[in-house]
Amino acid sequence: SQTIHQWPATLVQPVGSPLSLECTVEGTSNPNLYWYRQAAGRGLQLLFYSVGIGQISSEVPQNLSASRPQDRQFILSSKKLLLSDSGFYLCAWSPGGAVGNTIYFGEGSWLTVV
Amino acid sequence: GENVEQHPSTLSVQEGDSAVIKCTYSDSASNYFPWYKQELGKRPQLIIDIRSNVGEKKDQRIAVTLNKTAKHFSLHITETQPEDSAVYFCAAYQAGTALIFGKGTTLSVSS
Repeated sequence: SQTIHQWPATLVQPVGSPLSLECTVEGTSNPNLYWYRQAAGRGLQLLFYSVGIGQISSEVPQNLSASRPQDRQFILSSKKLLLSDSGFYLCAWSPGGAVGNTIYFGEGSWLTVV
Repeated sequence: GENVEQHPSTLSVQEGDSAVIKCTYSDSASNYFPWYKQELGKRPQLIIDIRSNVGEKKDQRIAVTLNKTAKHFSLHITETQPEDSAVYFCAAYQAGTALIFGKGTTLSVSS
């Protein structure tokens, strides 16, 4: 069966510091990968999605970036965090090669920027 | 791009009553509409979904209806129980990209 791992689970970072959140999927090949952010009262906001290694699409312009160095690895980064970057970050995956598939979320990472 | 509106933002019902959450979407090319339930501090989990070639789908106490002409879909929960209390999200699949979510409905079921 497929599993998704995301870490760290929680972190508190000062404004202006860098960020790296990592996500890996097991038990499948060539998945579609996603980063969503959940801020209070704003639902689930799509940040990035990827259909393959090195292929990243951004939905929201901001100071975050994403990379996919390996087929089942997805990384969310920032060079300098802002207070507004605080939130619950969720990595997710769906089966690749087909459209309109269910996505499955990781356990999430709580980020507090202070 | 796709835009998903969800109403109401909060919903309070008595145990045993029904709950209905409604969503509208903007992209007529969207063809997949899932619903997720998120308990406090946890990840969202799929509870039911519907594709554009189907008008209604049921799974025990949960049902989803889709009206493609009007571009809206709804979640119906019957005989609500306290454990149904959670945040519910609707979503629509934006062609060629990913699921776009509504802002969520906080459902509270009181006993």
